[in-house]
Amino acid sequence: EAQVTQNPRYLITVTGKKLTVTCSQNMNHEYMSWYRQDPGLGLRQIYYSMNVEVTDKGDVPEGYKVSRKEKRNFPLILESPSPNQTSLYFCASTYGGQDTQYFGPGTRLTVL
Amino acid sequence: AQTVTQSQPEMSVQEAETVTLSCTYDTSENNYYLFWYKQPPSRQMILVIRQEAYKQQNATENRFSVNFQKAAKSFSLKISDSQLGDTAMYFCAFMNHDGTASKLTFGTGTRLQVTL
Repeated sequence: EAQVTQNPRYLITVTGKKLTVTCSQNMNHEYMSWYRQDPGLGLRQIYYSMNVEVTDKGDVPEGYKVSRKEKRNFPLILESPSPNQTSLYFCASTYGGQDTQYFGPGTRLTVL
Repeated sequence: AQTVTQSQPEMSVQEAETVTLSCTYDTSENNYYLFWYKQPPSRQMILVIRQEAYKQQNATENRFSVNFQKAAKSFSLKISDSQLGDTAMYFCAFMNHDGTASKLTFGTGTRLQVTL
């Protein structure tokens, strides 16, 4: 089954404790993105990747890092999380830049 | 930069009735893509419908159709014969034609409640 998976689905952590949210897709997609969803703001792009070892900033990259060492994986790293990063995070992938994006199930992150 | 505006934070419709969700956008581009995504309580983002700006014909998917007015930069979603399963948050989204950054620009969403 074609899908985008994210882990963990829920995470509660404390300020400053490094964490990684994993994202994996099995569709051989080249493009992958991370979004965060906040009430009243919709979804906003954090980072994106057009291929292995090619990543770039989206609209709200501050406080986040990403890497793309393999085509299927695109982890989101919060090296020193803060409460303003409490949000719902989505990973998405697509074959081509214009193609329909497939979203993961979301990760609910709470930073205390 | 592109912006997407959804002016209806919440809407309600009775089962079997028709409802229209509004979306306007701002762009200087001539070619682009527009989308409606549905987010049910499960939080999964589900593509409802997609429209290419160069196509004059409005997209339809079963009970879902759009009214795309390019000159007015308007992209409304019509849901016919509403069902309880249509209860969800609906997001309008924009993407440049060149797929730059594979980036979707989203509106703030409209929460739709379908009632008996």
